[in-house]
Amino acid sequence: SAVISQKPSRDICQRGTSLTIQCQVDSQVTMMFWYRQQPGQSLTLIATANQGSEATYESGFVIDKFPISRPNLTFSTLTVSNMSPEDSSIYLCSVQQGLGNTIYFGEGSWLTVV
Amino acid sequence: GIQVEQSPPDLILQEGANSTLRCNFSDSVNNLQWFHQNPWGQLINLFYIPSGTKQNGRLSATTVATERYSLLYISSSQTTDSGVYFCAVTRPNDYKLSFGAGTTVTVRA
Repeated sequence: SAVISQKPSRDICQRGTSLTIQCQVDSQVTMMFWYRQQPGQSLTLIATANQGSEATYESGFVIDKFPISRPNLTFSTLTVSNMSPEDSSIYLCSVQQGLGNTIYFGEGSWLTVV
Repeated sequence: GIQVEQSPPDLILQEGANSTLRCNFSDSVNNLQWFHQNPWGQLINLFYIPSGTKQNGRLSATTVATERYSLLYISSSQTTDSGVYFCAVTRPNDYKLSFGAGTTVTVRA
C-alpha cells in the first residue's frame, strides 16, 4: 500500500493568510486527490490532480481559492488562500493504487483559522 | 450522484461487545471501501470490498452488490476501535469516492 506523508500535520493560521499543504507519496501514482473534512462532517472531494495538467475541481471549489500543483508523479501541493474561519478543516491527500484502484489517505492536515 | 447512507449514526459499546455497521448505496459500484478515522483524524483503510466477504482480525465485512449494501462487523470491541467509520464507493467508469456520513463508535472500558 502507498505511504503518504502530509505537511504540516497541524497549524493555526491568521485570517486572510494563505497556507500550502504538501503531499508526498512513496511511489509514482497517476492521480492524486485532495479532500476537505469540515468539523463533524464527512469528506468532500476538492479536486483531482494529474501530473502535467491542470487540476480538475469539483462543484463549489475554485482554483483561485484552492490552487493545486502537481510537478511530478509523487508530489502535490494544495494552497488554501485568503483563509477565513470557515476554512478550518482537515485537508487530506489521497491516491489510488493497487487492487481495484484502492484509495489510500495521508495523515491529514488540521487547519484552524483564527 | 450516488447516495451513500450509513447507519446507525452513533454507536456506544461496552468493551467486549460485538456490533454491525451498515452502508447502503443507491447505484452500482465497482469500488467499496471501509475506513476508520481515529481521534487524530487519520483515515485507515480497513477493507476494499466491492463484493463478497473479508476478514481481518476482529473486523470483517460483507458486501452484497446486487442488493446494494455492505456490512462491517466489529467483534470483541476494544477502546482502540473508537472513532468514525466511513463507507465510500465509486461508480463504474468513475474514480471519485463518494462518502457516507459515517458512524461514530465509542467503546467504553
